[in-house]
Amino acid sequence: DTGVSQDPRHKITKRGQNVTFRCDPISEHNRLYWYRQTLGQGPEFLTYFQNEAQLEKSRLLSDRFSAERPKGSFSTLEIQRTEQGDSAMYLCASSLGQGAADGYTFGSGTRLTVV
Amino acid sequence: DAKTTQPPSMDCAEGRAANLPCNHSTISGNEYVYWYRQIHSQGPQYIIHGLKNNETNEMASLIITEDRKSSTLILPHATLRDTAVYYCIVRSATYGNKLVFGAGTILRVKS
Repeated sequence: DTGVSQDPRHKITKRGQNVTFRCDPISEHNRLYWYRQTLGQGPEFLTYFQNEAQLEKSRLLSDRFSAERPKGSFSTLEIQRTEQGDSAMYLCASSLGQGAADGYTFGSGTRLTVV
Repeated sequence: DAKTTQPPSMDCAEGRAANLPCNHSTISGNEYVYWYRQIHSQGPQYIIHGLKNNETNEMASLIITEDRKSSTLILPHATLRDTAVYYCIVRSATYGNKLVFGAGTILRVKS
């Protein structure tokens, strides 16, 4: 499978717990993006990496959120002290990073439910 | 990024062409028009993109007006599997520029 993989597909957690999601991009893609999507809305940008460097973070990414891409390959998104408002689909995408002709490939997402 | 305006929903009969409109009246010269779609419980899927000229690939055709203020995505023979949310996005050629999604159009293909 040469697509973008996300793990887990579903996560149910209690409020206040920490959760971590993983994204494995397409191997030759040097850009990796995280988005969040709530019901009925389009995906909202959270952050992106060029190789291992985190180049942009949305104001949506509060202090409780942290993302890493330690070796420029897979990435993790951690949410600390989860709140019910964090319940959403978390999407990862990767791309070659070749300007405006650069199409993203998305994973199937991790659906987080905070109870 | 320039804003886009899409109808919230559309219906199409199976086997007929689905024509999805998008207005992007404030688009600037170096901004591309992208279309993605999202089938329920999956991540968005790239369909097509263009700058000025009409484009066609195995999935769809993209018709961009001469003034570039609007575009239409055409699915020539819609099937039930084309039922999805379709997003029209304008994006500049600036290095690092990200995709910004709106609410999209829910296309329902009916038999």
